[in-house]
Amino acid sequence: DQQVKQNSPSLSVQEGRISILNCDYTNSMFDYFLWYKKYPAEGPTFLISISSIKDKNEDGRFTVFLNKSAKHLSLHIVPSQPGDSAVYFCAASRGFQKLVFGTGTRLLVSP
Amino acid sequence: DVKVTQSSRYLVKRTGEKVFLECVQDMDHENMFWYRQDPGLGLRLIYFSYDVKMKEKGDIPEGYSVSREKKERFSLILESASTNQTSMYLCASSPLDRDLYEQYFGPGTRLTVT
Repeated sequence: DQQVKQNSPSLSVQEGRISILNCDYTNSMFDYFLWYKKYPAEGPTFLISISSIKDKNEDGRFTVFLNKSAKHLSLHIVPSQPGDSAVYFCAASRGFQKLVFGTGTRLLVSP
Repeated sequence: DVKVTQSSRYLVKRTGEKVFLECVQDMDHENMFWYRQDPGLGLRLIYFSYDVKMKEKGDIPEGYSVSREKKERFSLILESASTNQTSMYLCASSPLDRDLYEQYFGPGTRLTVT
């Protein structure tokens, strides 16, 4: 039972344009959401997070949007850069800092 | 600087062998986690520990055990390795603070069981 889903396994974007990565969840008890970025042969690194009491959080080029009624969150990267090419995982917290991860979306930003 | 290290980057073992994967963190974090990452399945939690000698099962604990004798070290044990345990194994740690959800990951160990 996949509680956190990333339905797009891959996304290709041109440098300078906006990248939008999507994530859906089923458990309404999740109270915190995170995005991680993973390069090949490295562990995931934390990117940005949002509490369920907010609907938007911004950090430089990265913005996360949360729509609780739709159980949907998205990560916007503007402008996209070739160095952003990586696999992006969304994750949701179900208490005591246990995270449930999505399946990942591979982003390719071409020059 | 936050650091989580894993004993091996690549490991090849035979079916039936006992396998130990070691993880060490230098951040004095209370929580430590073991995940496996498989294509199309994302990261799945195997076991976690919130204190020395404490452990809790994650979503896929079957075929695995863990040991946490010291705060900084968390070991994953495959009692009798099988080919379906071929995977990327990731260790993570986090502080015991309910306001901090971020986990810090090691580089991963790619285990192949033949």
